[in-house]
Amino acid sequence: QVQLVESGGGVVQPGRSLRLSCAASRFSFGNYAMHWVRQAPGKGLEWVALISYDGRNTYYADSVRGRFTISRDNPINALYLEMNTLGPEDTAVYYCARTGDGPGLFWSGYSWGQGTLVTVSS
Amino acid sequence: QSALTQPPSASGSPGQSVTISCTGTSGDIGGYRFVSWYQQHPGKAPQLVIYEVNKRPLGVPDRFSGSKSGNTASLTVSGLQADDEAAYYCSSYAATNKVVFGGGTKLTVL
Repeated sequence: QVQLVESGGGVVQPGRSLRLSCAASRFSFGNYAMHWVRQAPGKGLEWVALISYDGRNTYYADSVRGRFTISRDNPINALYLEMNTLGPEDTAVYYCARTGDGPGLFWSGYSWGQGTLVTVSS
Repeated sequence: QSALTQPPSASGSPGQSVTISCTGTSGDIGGYRFVSWYQQHPGKAPQLVIYEVNKRPLGVPDRFSGSKSGNTASLTVSGLQADDEAAYYCSSYAATNKVVFGGGTKLTVL
């Protein structure tokens, strides 16, 4: 069964940076594109970013483009989200999600981690 | 404000069917078949229940079905069960190379 474990969340001051990690196991990590999706407290889901299986292609939501960077390290089965110039609007639970097999599942989160909470506050 | 519009709430009695709508534009739902639906129980991670408009991942019961007409997608849950009570989110690929979500619908099983 797919396992995704996010880490790196916490309380950070506005304007500062934070890096989130997602440890993947029990599947061939290097074969799948990966998403980051966030959820502000009591709010709905918001897509953040997507990276192709080989890391060559990345896609971002307008709200984070230029501030966040998605990356991956396939040999160690790890996904990252580097977040810069954080603001209160970035406060959320951040989930990593694996895509599925086939082109129809590239834009979907097939399997999800349990999330890590990022709180931006002074 | 979410890119896709969902009703904030829906309800039905056990055994009944309920349909949740998700309205977008020709730049997302209307233009592509990459529409997904997610179920999220309180305090839990989302779970994919429908992808590519009407396909079910392995393990999702056939009580869950999806459809699309024009710029509106729909999720139907048949034979409602107590465990179906959750929030449901639609999502779609959107030009260019983005994913957009709906605001979510809280389904109550009466």
